[in-house]
Amino acid sequence: NAGVTQTPKFQVLKTGQSMTLQCAQDMNHNSMYWYRQDPGMGLRLIYYSASEGTTDKGEVPNGYNVSRLNKREFSLRLESAAPSQTSVYFCASIARGLAEQFFGPGTRLTVL
Amino acid sequence: QKEVEQNSGPLSVPEGAIASLNCTYSDRGSQSFFWYRQYSGKSPELIMFIYSNGDKEDGRFTAQLNKASQYVSLLIRDSQPSDSATYLCAVNVDGRKLIFGQGTELSVKP
Repeated sequence: NAGVTQTPKFQVLKTGQSMTLQCAQDMNHNSMYWYRQDPGMGLRLIYYSASEGTTDKGEVPNGYNVSRLNKREFSLRLESAAPSQTSVYFCASIARGLAEQFFGPGTRLTVL
Repeated sequence: QKEVEQNSGPLSVPEGAIASLNCTYSDRGSQSFFWYRQYSGKSPELIMFIYSNGDKEDGRFTAQLNKASQYVSLLIRDSQPSDSATYLCAVNVDGRKLIFGQGTELSVKP
């Protein structure tokens, strides 16, 4: 039982490059979320998926796209990376309203 | 603009003392309130949530909510050096999205 896994753990991109961050959960949860965390700040919601086949924008969706591939997997894509997207990205799997929240280990992304 | 405010700290307390972490929020429609612990370089971990006014206790942790004052706090009794971490407060308005504060760094000195 791995909980929430994220790949990659670290990534360095050049401005304009694209990449996809992967997230998977094995807890059979319906809801999955993507957050970013900048130094000295709390988490900000990028996108979330309340169930398989649905996605919704959060606070800071510009520059990102998501795909809820199936119930287990929720990916985040940067089509054209910018230095402002340098951050730590966390995926979370949510159940029982918001009473259960499990976070992945994070992806540390640097855009040069 | 929905806001959640926390004192960034650091808050330093001696081992065995009570640590008191505070959070204020601006949206009176907020429904539920969450506290997370985040060790340096690690992911957040949900430790407490509270929906109703008053206190909720779980082991050494107590969450306190006062909706009239738009204030939620986390008390850690008998603080241990292992409690040293950043504590994040988050507020939910619509049943789905969470608005986070910037976190309070807690340091428990032996």
